[in-house]
Amino acid sequence: AQKITQTQPGMFVQEKEAVTLDCTYDTSDQSYGLFWYKQPSSGEMIFLIYQGSYDEQNATEGRYSLNFQKARKSANLVISASQLGDSAMYFCAMRGNTGGFKTIFGAGTRLFVKA
Amino acid sequence: DAGITQSPRYKITETGRQVTLMCHQTWSHSYMFWYRQDLGHGLRLIYYSAAADITDKGEVPDGYVVSRSKTENFPLTLESATRSQTSVYFCASSVRDSTNEKLFFGSGTQLSVL
Repeated sequence: AQKITQTQPGMFVQEKEAVTLDCTYDTSDQSYGLFWYKQPSSGEMIFLIYQGSYDEQNATEGRYSLNFQKARKSANLVISASQLGDSAMYFCAMRGNTGGFKTIFGAGTRLFVKA
Repeated sequence: DAGITQSPRYKITETGRQVTLMCHQTWSHSYMFWYRQDLGHGLRLIYYSAAADITDKGEVPDGYVVSRSKTENFPLTLESATRSQTSVYFCASSVRDSTNEKLFFGSGTQLSVL
């Protein structure tokens, strides 16, 4: 069975500082994908970053990087140089490789960026 | 504009009524998903589909029915709505290539069951 865990319900970070949002996962699939999505107060789901389980390099997209530690089954999101507009809910998700690409989400972390 | 469209955007219904939420995508993506998001919570997978006529249960399928007769459409039906099904419903489709993968989400349907 697949499981995604985000243990930080809320986080505060000072503007311009870096912040790490934690995500751990569990799966018996050998091949899988990991995602991070941002949900601002408007409610839309915004794709941030993707990491494949066989990718040896950590994924990066602008100020976002995914710290992938396969042995520890963790896929933490690092946001560098936080901006006020980064205040939002952040969701970690995992796509398995059996049964039609089932994709599940964690409970989310609400990030507050302080000026 | 091409994309993934959900309708209606808002829906109010009464307990016991049947409700269908529509989802249409213009990309011909194979994989499609339905999620519900309750206030202050994450997204929970209701049903997903790998292709037309192939659907499977997700984490919380009870009380819901889906169909996928055409690749581009993936309607979700609440057969007899209950108050616990008050939620925001998101439809998504996914695309995957050798190096990247992404879910595209609709704008959501806010459903209230009175």
